[in-house]
Amino acid sequence: EPEVTQTPSHQVTQMGQEVILRCVPISNHLYFYWYRQILGQKVEFLVSFYNNEISEKSEIFDDQFSVERPDGSNFTLKIRSTKLEDSAMYFCASMLGTEAFFGQGTRLTVV
Amino acid sequence: GIQVEQSPPDLILQEGANSTLRCNFSDSVNNLQWFHQNPWGQLINLFYIPSGTKQNGRLSATTVATERYSLLYISSSQTTDSGVYFCAPKGDSGYALNFGKGTSLLVTP
Repeated sequence: EPEVTQTPSHQVTQMGQEVILRCVPISNHLYFYWYRQILGQKVEFLVSFYNNEISEKSEIFDDQFSVERPDGSNFTLKIRSTKLEDSAMYFCASMLGTEAFFGQGTRLTVV
Repeated sequence: GIQVEQSPPDLILQEGANSTLRCNFSDSVNNLQWFHQNPWGQLINLFYIPSGTKQNGRLSATTVATERYSLLYISSSQTTDSGVYFCAPKGDSGYALNFGKGTSLLVTP
């Protein structure tokens, strides 16, 4: 069964460093998303991407964040200068038209 | 964005019991999904249900879009049902699913 895959599963980084979280969406899907979940809290929307551009972003998605679909298969989230409060589980999701499917997440810890 | 309220926030059941989880939302929706977050943090798709009723084994879900709520029924609960259940509707305008705070379920033997 097709699935969304994310790498790495865990990442520890020092405050101020740049990180890139990687996702391979389901191959024929058209809409791509990043969400995050701070430990013990709800899942929060960051950004959606359609037709090679950002279609919607939340207030959380400020200038330190960027997304890219560098080729036909990968979808990346870059955090330019990490802060302690960026520590969270980051989920990638993809959707063809109706139902969204989520990857297993990347747990980011900023120290 | 669309506001989502889930109830109850926490629920403890004995194995074999039935339960109903509720999700209220503030605006009209064209998509609604229910997820189970397992102890490893994975979000498992349970139902895509913008309207109507669906059943999958011991689980079923109903969405009454005109009254802005959805229900998830768990029958004959098992310890493996433990975890957090999230409702996530998507409003008519916008691209994103909006998650509620979830219902944390613990099923005891």
